[in-house]
Formats: sequence, structure tokens, C-alpha cells
Amino acid sequence: QKEVEQDPGPLSVPEGAIVSLNCTYSNSAFQYFMWYRQYSRKGPELLMYTYSSGNKEDGRFTAQVDKSSKYISLFIRDSQPSDSATYLCAMSGPGGSYIPTFGRGTSLIVHP
Amino acid sequence: EAGVAQSPRYKIIEKRQSVAFWCNPISGHATLYWYQQILGQGPKLLIQFQNNGVVDDSQLPKDRFSAERLKGVDSTLKIQPAKLEDSAVYLCASRLGQFMNTEAFFGQGTRLTVV
Repeated sequence: QKEVEQDPGPLSVPEGAIVSLNCTYSNSAFQYFMWYRQYSRKGPELLMYTYSSGNKEDGRFTAQVDKSSKYISLFIRDSQPSDSATYLCAMSGPGGSYIPTFGRGTSLIVHP
Repeated sequence: EAGVAQSPRYKIIEKRQSVAFWCNPISGHATLYWYQQILGQGPKLLIQFQNNGVVDDSQLPKDRFSAERLKGVDSTLKIQPAKLEDSAVYLCASRLGQFMNTEAFFGQGTRLTVV
């Protein structure tokens, strides 16, 4: 079992839809949870970063963490064609290097 | 602020050849990572540097991969000899500090194809 599981998709939605992206993890030591967006042929860019369980909102994006279920989500409201990209969840634990462990990414397609 | 620079952007080599990638991190960033991203997968850490010292290279295939960060700034990643399964995007990332209160910034990557 991989430490971080993420459905690769693709997930295809119409413009304006609410998108839900999810990851599960097995390592209970993970404390930091991140969502990255990666456009084709580009490097990942950080979208959201959370430390605790609960919700964190930033514009159209909401990150949700449920540590008891080892489950994290990213919600995108009013999705736009420009949101079409691969979304990678990443997480890391305490200790020296805080190296993120990535999921495989979910490909999102928002069509007009 | 300039981002993380990587070169070349693309490289095609034959198996058993050698190849090197270069990374220039954001100025002042002490932490530098090299990741390997195989098509359809998430990035996998190869090596982490803190200044010019190696923090973690546990997932670096040391029989063929090597990396250095002389003077704690630029870094090079080398593969010698390359195998078909090394075909991937090699991403460099840098971070101001070592801990989670600072964001890691990624370069655009070097896409390696081994034929």
C-alpha cells in the first residue's frame, strides 16, 4: 500500500461546477497537508497548505483535512477552464526535513 | 523574484549514455531538492541538500545517479549510465528554510527520454 493514494482520473466537469478532489494516506505521523497544481509541462505550484484538521478557505479553493479518517480533500467552487490541470496532494510529518510525499495526482478537465 | 531555473528543458539520450541536469535555485534558498516524476505519477524525492550538505539521499539510486551542490548554490544531477526506466521529468525545488513554514518552489523540470 502506498503512503498516499490519489485517484488519477481524469475528472471532467462543466464550467461552473464544484470539484472535489481527494487523497487518503496511511502514515499517521503526517501533520502537514498540501495541494499543488501542475499545468502540463510545468513544475508543481503550491495552492493550499494546512496543518490541522478542519477546513481552510482561499478564494474559490477549500482544503479539508480529517486526520481521524486519514482523508484530505480539495474543493474548487465555480470551476473555470483555467483550472484544468493535475492536482497533487502532498503531506509530510514532523522531524528534520519535512520532505513532502506526493500522491500521483488527479487530472482535472473543466470544459466550457 | 526569479524562480528556480533548470536546464536543459528536454533531453533525449540512448540507454547506457550519461546525462547531467543543472538547477539554479532561488537566491538565498538554503534547501534544494531533486525529484523524479515518471509520467502519470507524483514526484518522488531523489535527494535533499541543506546548503552544500546532503540531508536525505535514501531514494537516490547511487549506482547510477549522483548529485552535488558545490558552494551551496547551483546543483547538478547526473545519471551514468542511463536506463530506459529513467525516462521521466526531473524537477528541482528550493526552499528558504528546511521547515514547513516556508514554501518550496519548483522549476519547470527537465524532461528526459531514454531510447
